[in-house]
Amino acid sequence: EAGVVQSPRYKIIEKKQPVAFWCNPISGHNTLYWYLQNLGQGPELLIRYENEEAVDDSQLPKDRFSAERLKGVDSTLKIQPAELGDSAVYLCASSQSGRETQYFGPGTRLLVL
Amino acid sequence: AQSVTQLDSQVPVFEEAPVELRCNYSSSVSVYLFWYVQYPNQGLQLLLKYLSGSTLVESINGFEAEFNKSQTSFHLRKPSVHISDTAEYFCAVIGGSQGNLIFGKGTKLSVKP
Repeated sequence: EAGVVQSPRYKIIEKKQPVAFWCNPISGHNTLYWYLQNLGQGPELLIRYENEEAVDDSQLPKDRFSAERLKGVDSTLKIQPAELGDSAVYLCASSQSGRETQYFGPGTRLLVL
Repeated sequence: AQSVTQLDSQVPVFEEAPVELRCNYSSSVSVYLFWYVQYPNQGLQLLLKYLSGSTLVESINGFEAEFNKSQTSFHLRKPSVHISDTAEYFCAVIGGSQGNLIFGKGTKLSVKP
């Protein structure tokens, strides 16, 4: 069974540019999560989807971050415009439902110059 | 609100020595507890979990953790470590109705020959 797929694995952009990350969860997993992991820190939740509905986006900086999961399967996280402080690893995870074990993708490492 | 404290940011140890990575959590409700491992430039992999039942849980590669409700701890142990165990280990908790994972800051285990 394929795991959580993320692309790209690495991205380097200049500040003020837009950037997008893509995630395809494990087949059959209804819940999808986006996490931000800063250097030396544990992951922090940005947004959680139950199917296509964002049920918890309280930690998503909505002035520059947006996310969508239109058909309840894969998801895109966007930053526009990117700032230097956005340099981090963006992790996607999925689970069969809330409170179930979460499985993580390899992450996208973003560097903003 | 739930929180997770990993008391040691770095743990150096010699190969074949025992190791304990400490984790304490705070939650007023029943919890699910997890240990994830992150190898360099990779995503998080589930190592083991406690959902209910026996308080001692084991992984397939020799790690074990014990849920101690009175001490609100979930320490990770291995009686004899290998070089390949060098990685960062994250303790995490799900508590409450939201089902969101709350991570500690991680412990870097460095196994030396």
